[in-house]
Amino acid sequence: SQTIHQWPATLVQPVGSPLSLECTVEGTSNPNLYWYRQAAGRGLQLLFYSVGIGQISSEVPQNLSASRPQDRQFILSSKKLLLSDSGFYLCAWSRGGSGGYTFGSGTRLTVV
Amino acid sequence: EDQVTQSPEALRLQEGESSSLNCSYTVSGLRGLFWYRQDPGKGPEFLFTLYSAGEEKEKERLKATLTKKESFLHITAPKPEDSATYLCAVQAYNRGSTLGRLYFGRGTQLTVWP
Repeated sequence: SQTIHQWPATLVQPVGSPLSLECTVEGTSNPNLYWYRQAAGRGLQLLFYSVGIGQISSEVPQNLSASRPQDRQFILSSKKLLLSDSGFYLCAWSRGGSGGYTFGSGTRLTVV
Repeated sequence: EDQVTQSPEALRLQEGESSSLNCSYTVSGLRGLFWYRQDPGKGPEFLFTLYSAGEEKEKERLKATLTKKESFLHITAPKPEDSATYLCAVQAYNRGSTLGRLYFGRGTQLTVWP
């Protein structure tokens, strides 16, 4: 069966520090991968998606970047965090062009 | 532009008081409509997929229905453990793309009190 792992669960980082959130999927190959941010009352905002290794598409301009160094690994990064980067970050995967997403457990990021 | 609207934003029910959540959508060529449940501090958990108008799916006290313009999530005799945020998402046909992007609504926060 397929599983998705996302870590860490919580993170408190100072303004200006770097960020690296990691997501891995097991039990499937060539998944579509997604990074979302969820702010209170604002729903799920798609940040990045990837349909293959090294292929990254950005949905909104921001202080973040994403990379997919391996087929089932998706990384969300920042060189210098801003206060506005605080939020709940979710990784998800899907298979092909149809079907729903399976989400990770999320990372609560607080920038102080 | 594709859009998903959920209502109400918040709903408080007494245990046993049945009700419905609404998800209205505008999309060019619906491929699927998805319902998720999200508990505080956790990732959304898949509930149902609906593909065509008239389709219904059930799971315990939840029943999802679909028309050409909206979907309803009916909750029968809810219990406190049904308290969560319920998210609706739609997927459109996108020729030549393997993405299958989902467009999410903002969710309905359901609270069931004893």
